[in-house]
Amino acid sequence: AQSVTQPDIHITVSEGASLELRCNYSYGATPYLFWYVQSPGQGLQLLLKYFSGDTLVQGIKGFEAEFKRSQSSYTLRKPTVQWSDAAEYFCAVGATGGADGLTFGKGTHLIIQP
Amino acid sequence: EAGVAQSPRYKIIEKRQSVAFWCNPISGHATLYWYQQILGQGPKLLIQFQNNGVVDDSQLPKDRFSAERLKGVDSTLKIQPAKLEDSAVYLCASSLAGSNSPLHFGNGTRLTVT
Repeated sequence: AQSVTQPDIHITVSEGASLELRCNYSYGATPYLFWYVQSPGQGLQLLLKYFSGDTLVQGIKGFEAEFKRSQSSYTLRKPTVQWSDAAEYFCAVGATGGADGLTFGKGTHLIIQP
Repeated sequence: EAGVAQSPRYKIIEKRQSVAFWCNPISGHATLYWYQQILGQGPKLLIQFQNNGVVDDSQLPKDRFSAERLKGVDSTLKIQPAKLEDSAVYLCASSLAGSNSPLHFGNGTRLTVT
């Protein structure tokens, strides 16, 4: 069975600093990997996805993610965080790019301090 | 394009009562999903439809939960009778058919069972 682990429940970052959110997955085949962001009272918005090819993926809002197969990891990064980036971030894994349901991690709550 | 629409946004019921949630996916999206998101956790897939047929309902508690998508467009998720542990946000998502189509989420319905 597939699973996703986000080891950090909360992360606090100063505005303007860099961000790194960790995600590890367990999956028996080549995974499709996703990062979603959820603002309070909102649904989930797709930040970026990895299907194949280049292991460094560029997403929206200045986010990027690096896939490392040897470590079963999919790390989300942003060079300079903004106040508006405060939200819940979810890593997810799927058997396909979206036609099958995703398995989500428990999320990382990002707090931005001035 | 219009996003995934869900209603109601909030619902408070007493245990043992019944409740229904409605979802209207993005036009043309053949695949529809219902996820349950308990506070502090990532979303968990309850059921997946492809047009009006069920693809995966392995995690749907069928003794109390039911869902339908009769005409392959709108969908309804019902809980009868509700339990305290059903308190959660119920998210609907949709995607185009095809393995690389990303999920688009609605804003969810927050259910509180007292």
